[in-house]
Amino acid sequence: QVQLVESGGGLVKPGGSLRLSCAASGFTFSAYHMSWIRQAPGKGLEWVSYITTSGSTIYYADSVRGRFTISRDNAKNSLSLHVNSLRAEDTAVYYCARARGIYGSVPTYFDYWGQGTLVTVSS
Amino acid sequence: QSALTQPPSVSGSPGQSVTISCTGTNSDVGSYNRVSWYQQPPGTGPKLMIYEVGNRPSGVPDRFSGSKSGNTASLTISGLQAEDEADYYCSSYTSSSTTVFGGGTKLTVL
Repeated sequence: QVQLVESGGGLVKPGGSLRLSCAASGFTFSAYHMSWIRQAPGKGLEWVSYITTSGSTIYYADSVRGRFTISRDNAKNSLSLHVNSLRAEDTAVYYCARARGIYGSVPTYFDYWGQGTLVTVSS
Repeated sequence: QSALTQPPSVSGSPGQSVTISCTGTNSDVGSYNRVSWYQQPPGTGPKLMIYEVGNRPSGVPDRFSGSKSGNTASLTISGLQAEDEADYYCSSYTSSSTTVFGGGTKLTVL
């Protein structure tokens, strides 16, 4: 069965950095586009970033562009998100998700999600 | 891009039907049949329930159905069960080539 397991979250000071990881299993990872989506405590969902199967095309939400970097290693069935210059408003649970329904070069829905990893930005 | 508008909460008794609305604009819901719905029980990751307005992934009960009229999409759950209690989120493709989510609706089964 499809499994996505995130790790790497934690408590970090404003301006700090973290590397989030997502281990994928149960499907051919290299054949699927992937995304990161976050959820601030008690809030709704916010799409963060998207990467195509080969990594050749990448998109970011305006709120994180220039600070976050998405990447993937198809040989290791792994998705990563480097989060830099962190701000209090980046505090959230970060989910990796399998991206589907490509339209206008971007995904329009996400058919499998992990359990998430919590990033807390606080001094 | 502003979030789609959902009611904060809805409720229903077992066996009843409930409908959750998701209102956008003609830059997202109104212009594209790219609306999806997600179920999120407390402390878990979201689960896809409906995609492209009215399509159900394999394994999702046919008690769940989706529709759209104008700038408003709807998720209807018929034959409500206790296990349906969760937060529900809609999302839509937008004219800015992004995906926007709704603020979420808490479903309580009375």
